[in-house]
Amino acid sequence: DQQVKQNSPSLSVQEGRISILNCDYTNSMFDYFLWYKKYPAEGPTFLISISSIKDKNEDGRFTVFLNKSAKHLSLHIVPSQPGDSAVYFCAASFSGTYKYIFGTGTRLKVLA
Amino acid sequence: DAGVIQSPRHEVTEMGQEVTLRCKPISGHDYLFWYRQTMMRGLELLIYFNNNVPIDDSGMPEDRFSAKMPNASFSTLKIQPSEPRDSAVYFCASRTDSHYGYTFGSGTRLTVV
Repeated sequence: DQQVKQNSPSLSVQEGRISILNCDYTNSMFDYFLWYKKYPAEGPTFLISISSIKDKNEDGRFTVFLNKSAKHLSLHIVPSQPGDSAVYFCAASFSGTYKYIFGTGTRLKVLA
Repeated sequence: DAGVIQSPRHEVTEMGQEVTLRCKPISGHDYLFWYRQTMMRGLELLIYFNNNVPIDDSGMPEDRFSAKMPNASFSTLKIQPSEPRDSAVYFCASRTDSHYGYTFGSGTRLTVV
C-alpha cells in the first residue's frame, strides 16, 4: 500500500513556464517532507524540504507547498528550465525515525 | 568528499546465482540506507543501519536478501539465490544525525536473467 503517491507519472512544460508537481500522502502522522531530483544514471539528489509546522518553503526557483488538511504537497518550479528535466520524487517521514517513504516519481520534461 | 560510492554500477547475473552489492558511505555519516527502485513501486526502503547496527529491515522482501555493515565505511547487500523479479536499481544512501537529507550513491543496476 503506497503511503506516498505521485499520481502523474509524467509532465511536459514549456521553458519559462511554471511546473507543478503533486504528491499525496495517506498518513497524517508524517511531519517532514522532501523533494528529490534524479537524472538518468545518477542517484537522487536532495532538492528542498518542508516541516509540517510550515505551509510553504522557498529556495530560489523552487517552492514547496504543504496542505495538511488535504494531505497534499506540491513542488513549483518557476521559471522552468531545460536542465530541470528529470524525475522528481517526494518523500515523507515521521518524527523520531530516520527513514523516508518515497513516491513513485514524476518525470518532468521541460521543452525548449 | 567522494560521496557515497557503490559498486558495481551494473551487474548481470543468471537466475539462482548469488549477487553482492557494495556501498561505501560518506565518512562521518552514521546512518546508511539501502533502497530499491522499480517502475511500479518507486524507491522502496529495504533496510537501514545506525552506527553499523541494523535498525529496521522490515522492507527486506524475503529471506533471500541480507545486508551487513561490518564497519562504518562499508556495507553489503546480498541476494541469494537471485531471481528475475529482483531486477532493479539498488541505491545506497547515507546521512548524519543533524541533517535531514540523504546523500545517495549512483546506484547499481541489477539484471537477473
